[in-house]
Amino acid sequence: KAGVTQTPRYLIKTRGQQVTLSCSPISGHRSVSWYQQTPGQGLQFLFEYFSETQRNKGNFPGRFSGRQFSNSRSEMNVSTLELGDSALYLCASSQTGDSNQPQHFGDGTRLSIL
Amino acid sequence: GENVEQHPSTLSVQEGDSAVIKCTYSDSASNYFPWYKQELGKGPQLIIDIRSNVGEKKDQRIAVTLNKTAKHFSLHITETQPEDSAVYFCAASIRGGGADGLTFGKGTHLIIQP
Repeated sequence: KAGVTQTPRYLIKTRGQQVTLSCSPISGHRSVSWYQQTPGQGLQFLFEYFSETQRNKGNFPGRFSGRQFSNSRSEMNVSTLELGDSALYLCASSQTGDSNQPQHFGDGTRLSIL
Repeated sequence: GENVEQHPSTLSVQEGDSAVIKCTYSDSASNYFPWYKQELGKGPQLIIDIRSNVGEKKDQRIAVTLNKTAKHFSLHITETQPEDSAVYFCAASIRGGGADGLTFGKGTHLIIQP
């Protein structure tokens, strides 16, 4: 069974630009969560989607947004990029996002802001 | 919100010895405690998890213990091997599965000395 797939693996942008990251969950998984990983702040929860609806959101500015499609694939968008947005962005999926279902992570998209 | 503290930040052990990583959490409503292993260039990989109705869980060389009264949980790795070298993260959430978002500790860099 294929794992969580994130594309692209690496991305370089400049300040002020916007970026879209993509995540394909494990087949059959309908819950997709996004996390930001930085050396200083560690792993932080961004948001979670299930059945094309955002169910929960972490403490990030409105520049960070996402969406989920009917096939459960998800995209994350960051607008007006800042230097501090440089990070590894991780996507995780689980079957329905409810109890007793572990989350499985992809290998992430490394975003560098120049 | 939930806060997870993880210690130590770096742990060096001789191959064949045991390693213990400890975490504490703040929210008594948390009920799900996974542990992830992250290797260089990869996403976090779930290695074991435990729920609040269980005090201990084992899977071959890996075990996790939970003390809900003290809000404390630990990862134990026995007979360590070179391939155990990685960064380990503990996490906590209320329901698990993704809908709540996981709150992570800052990670422990485990080094296995040959």
